[in-house]
Amino acid sequence: DGGITQSPKYLFRKEGQNVTLSCEQNLNHDAMYWYRQDPGQGLRLIYYSQIVNDFQKGDIAEGYSVSREKKESFPLTVTSAQKNPTAFYLCASSTGAQPQHFGDGTRLSIL
Amino acid sequence: GNSVTQMEGPVTLSEEAFLTINCTYTATGYPSLFWYVQYPGEGLQLLLKATKADDKGSNKGFEATYRKETTSFHLEKGSVQVSDSAVYFCALSRSGPNDYKLSFGAGTTVTVRA
Repeated sequence: DGGITQSPKYLFRKEGQNVTLSCEQNLNHDAMYWYRQDPGQGLRLIYYSQIVNDFQKGDIAEGYSVSREKKESFPLTVTSAQKNPTAFYLCASSTGAQPQHFGDGTRLSIL
Repeated sequence: GNSVTQMEGPVTLSEEAFLTINCTYTATGYPSLFWYVQYPGEGLQLLLKATKADDKGSNKGFEATYRKETTSFHLEKGSVQVSDSAVYFCALSRSGPNDYKLSFGAGTTVTVRA
């Protein structure tokens, strides 16, 4: 079945450490997105990519970085510059004007 | 800019009750509107959508009508079940050439009791 796979499901970060969240899709979608979800705040866009080797900042990109070397992969790195990284991170993909499909998320916590 | 405001929760209902979740939006142009549902510990699933004024989206007994005159897209279900307990998000697509980013409301938590 086609879909979006996020891993790991749970991730813990130590102070000063960078961590990378994986997002892979086999839907052949052109665009991919990363969102951050905090309680009571809905989803906020971190980064998005419309084609391979290109990506743009979303509304809250500070402290995060991404790459898009392959169409099916869009990893997100949470850097040590992100001072409040504890959140639920969701990856999504879409093509054209079709609705976005979401993965099951990664929950990041600080040790 | 584009924004979505939805009814604050949490909402607690008994089975077979009527559910309404209000959603209003601010947007330039003619955005598409969506309702997504999130079950505990999972990602978001598309529940329904509408792409132009007066369109009615429907799925699994849920309905919402795109009302341009009131800039609203309220979600309704006539008889809820315990399995409808989830967080519901209203969203709109940010209009623009090749620009399909979504703006989300804060989410409404719905709990249905047997």
